[in-house]
Amino acid sequence: NAGVMQNPRHLVRRRGQEARLRCSPMKGHSHVYWYRQLPEEGLKFMVYLQKENIIDESGMPKERFSAEFPKEGPSILRIQQVVRGDSAAYFCASSPRERGVSPLHFGNGTRLTVT
Amino acid sequence: KNEVEQSPQNLTAQEGEFITINCSYSVGISALHWLQQHPGGGIVSLFMLSSGKKKHGRLIATINIQEKHSSLHITASHPRDSAVYICAVTGNQFYFGTGTSLTVIP
Repeated sequence: NAGVMQNPRHLVRRRGQEARLRCSPMKGHSHVYWYRQLPEEGLKFMVYLQKENIIDESGMPKERFSAEFPKEGPSILRIQQVVRGDSAAYFCASSPRERGVSPLHFGNGTRLTVT
Repeated sequence: KNEVEQSPQNLTAQEGEFITINCSYSVGISALHWLQQHPGGGIVSLFMLSSGKKKHGRLIATINIQEKHSSLHITASHPRDSAVYICAVTGNQFYFGTGTSLTVIP
């Protein structure tokens, strides 16, 4: 049973480009969470999704960031017109049930570097 | 003030020592998580607690809901335990502590 798969592991983008980060949850998991870890800082919650629904996006920046979890395929975190401050590690986690009820399983993260 | 506070921030121990990492939180929660992150690596979920105590190998996690406090203990520490340990709580939102960086010296 494969774990949470994130790709790419490393992503380099120039300022102004778009970044797409993908997360395939563990088999049987329908709840996905995205977190960001800025250099020398702790993890911060971004968004919580269930299949085809955004449950909680209170941690998402208001502009340029969006997330989806379609019926088929991986969850996508999309960052438009990236800036240097977006450079961070982005982690995805999944669970079989809603948060607070079942443990989280994390991916290895995508390290985004904006040049 | 952060919703989740961890102490200590940094900890160095000799191999074999008993280690305790503390976590205090100020919000209502449905669960508390202890996570482990190795340098440059991914994150592993060690425990999810809503009450009492859990044990897995040399790791023990406890939570006191009334005092809003949790501890992570490592018995007979080993250099491979060197990592950042992160406390996180789930309530209406998800909050993380800033982590405790543990180094175990052989």
